[in-house]
Amino acid sequence: NAGVMQNPRHLVRRRGQEARLRCSPVKGHSHVYWYRQLPEEGLKFMVYLQKENIIDESGMPKERFSAEFPKEGPSILRIQQVVRGDSAAYFCASSPGTRTGELFFGEGSRLTVL
Amino acid sequence: GESVGLHLPTLSVQEGDNSIINCAYSNSASDYFIWYKQESGKGPQFIIDIRSNMDKRQGQRVTVLLNKTVKHLSLQIAATQPGDSAVYFCAESNNAGNMLTFGGGTRLMVKP
Repeated sequence: NAGVMQNPRHLVRRRGQEARLRCSPVKGHSHVYWYRQLPEEGLKFMVYLQKENIIDESGMPKERFSAEFPKEGPSILRIQQVVRGDSAAYFCASSPGTRTGELFFGEGSRLTVL
Repeated sequence: GESVGLHLPTLSVQEGDNSIINCAYSNSASDYFIWYKQESGKGPQFIIDIRSNMDKRQGQRVTVLLNKTVKHLSLQIAATQPGDSAVYFCAESNNAGNMLTFGGGTRLMVKP
């Protein structure tokens, strides 16, 4: 399967714990995007990364949230000290380059905060 | 701020009929538009896209129409099938990077 791979698919955390969501882009894609989706709502942009660089993090909360896309390995979205309001589906997408075009989405990671 | 929105949150159609899902956008600088289909519990799947230098594009059973004058986008699905039942999102990009801005979605329900 050469698509975007996200894990875990489901994650349960208690308030105050940390959540780490991983995303492996389509092979050969160097651009990764993270989106958040609440039930019955659209996808909200969080952060756009290229290898080792954050290009745009305007949609990501300034506190508790961070993202990285290292030279080797998957992109990581980290949420520290989770709160109930962080419960959502987090989708990763990738694209091959900067020319505007289709984003390829993964199946999402569903975070539930108890 | 700039946003993309949809007129109807839910659309119910009879199997075999044609479906039309509408989308309004407000960013006149947008130059790329795309429709995604999202089934329950899954990620968005690409349906069709269109660039701002076109006003119509056809795929298999789907057509996207773009009216830049009124900033309106529509997705037409011919001979709607039960497998078309899903939430449909329009999204736009204004060439400021590759980020897509999504609308709120329309749920399409196909009655047998």
